[in-house]
Amino acid sequence: DGGITQSPKYLFRKEGQNVTLSCEQNLNHDAMYWYRQDPGQGLRLIYYSQIVNDFQKGDIAEGYSVSREKKESFPLTVTSAQKNPTAFYLCASSRGLFTDTQYFGPGTRLTVL
Amino acid sequence: EDQVTQSPEALRLQEGESSSLNCSYTVSGLRGLFWYRQDPGKGPEFLFTLYSAGEEKEKERLKATLTKKESFLHITAPKPEDSATYLCAVWASGTYKYIFGTGTRLKVLA
Repeated sequence: DGGITQSPKYLFRKEGQNVTLSCEQNLNHDAMYWYRQDPGQGLRLIYYSQIVNDFQKGDIAEGYSVSREKKESFPLTVTSAQKNPTAFYLCASSRGLFTDTQYFGPGTRLTVL
Repeated sequence: EDQVTQSPEALRLQEGESSSLNCSYTVSGLRGLFWYRQDPGKGPEFLFTLYSAGEEKEKERLKATLTKKESFLHITAPKPEDSATYLCAVWASGTYKYIFGTGTRLKVLA
């Protein structure tokens, strides 16, 4: 079955640590995205990528970094510079960049201890 | 400013009690409107895409409609398993992103 996987499902971070969230898709989609979801707010775009080795900042990129070395993979690193990282993180993909329906992964819940 | 507003924030229905969820939008030009269902602790599940006013799409007990200012998600004879948060997102001309609403939390009581 084609789909998007995210790991881990739950992640705990100590202050000052960098953590990396994994996102893999086997839908053969070119575009991939990272969103952050907080209670009472709409999904907010962190980073997006149209093709391998290319990615752009979204609305709330500060304190985050990404890479896109393979078409299937788009990992997100939450750095110690992110002051309020506790949230639900969602990865999505689509055939074209912002031209098609986005499909989402199951999410990773990050908690700062 | 492009904006998407969903109402109500929360809705409680008895099983079998039909109702509608609203997604109103203010954008410079609509290229697409998306409905998703999200269960607690899970990623959004795609339901429908609507592209132009007058368009309708159906799936089981759900029917999505679109006008020039808003979209409705009609739920006919809902069941407890329809309980979830329903998200609306708009893809607007001249923007590089989708704009998401904050969702409607639906609870269907048996």
